[in-house]
Amino acid sequence: GAGVSQSPSNKVTEKGKDVELRCDPISGHTALYWYRQSLGQGLEFLIYFQGNSAPDKSGLPSDRFSAERTGGSVSTLTIQRTQQEDSAVYLCASSLVREGEQFFGPGTRLTVL
Amino acid sequence: QQQVKQSPQSLIVQKGGISIINCAYENTAFDYFPWYQQFPGKGPALLIAIRPDVSEKKEGRFTISFNKSAKQFSLHIMDSQPGDSATYFCAASGDTDKLIFGTGTRLQVFP
Repeated sequence: GAGVSQSPSNKVTEKGKDVELRCDPISGHTALYWYRQSLGQGLEFLIYFQGNSAPDKSGLPSDRFSAERTGGSVSTLTIQRTQQEDSAVYLCASSLVREGEQFFGPGTRLTVL
Repeated sequence: QQQVKQSPQSLIVQKGGISIINCAYENTAFDYFPWYQQFPGKGPALLIAIRPDVSEKKEGRFTISFNKSAKQFSLHIMDSQPGDSATYFCAASGDTDKLIFGTGTRLQVFP
């Protein structure tokens, strides 16, 4: 169907609050990635899910960040006790197979006040 | 060793001109080098990609040149158009599938 979708498109929260960001990948895509894009920076890899394999969490910046992928489809990125430095655009991407083209969603802009 | 260095940070080109963006990497395990185009408010979209078994790949007005010995690759946009105005990211990946991105180049093409 449609491309990768993410919600919400914008999220403003107060420092110390928890937030959940959602990603709906393209139907049938087995691989799902989360990236973070800060102002003036490139995209920073956060976490990668491939099928039923254990996720690659090597890019998560702290233990306040976690992600899960339910039923091999929808993924949720959770940030606990948000900090101002967490403010960024969080992008999700999916690919049909491993090493395939990654299709990106429009991102969620997170602002931590 | 995981970094991909991209330059310039911004680029202004006149319509019809050639836009050139350069990237360099250190990790010799990288074997996939895509370029992504991003418009404001949108996610990046794959523009063109190359693997190190070829030195050049052309798709329409977009060409990737790849220099394996120098560990450098570049994007050339021929006959640049105002609609090409966007931010361009180079990236690289190797035996893992996570893309390591450059810091981006903001291209502005003026009529």
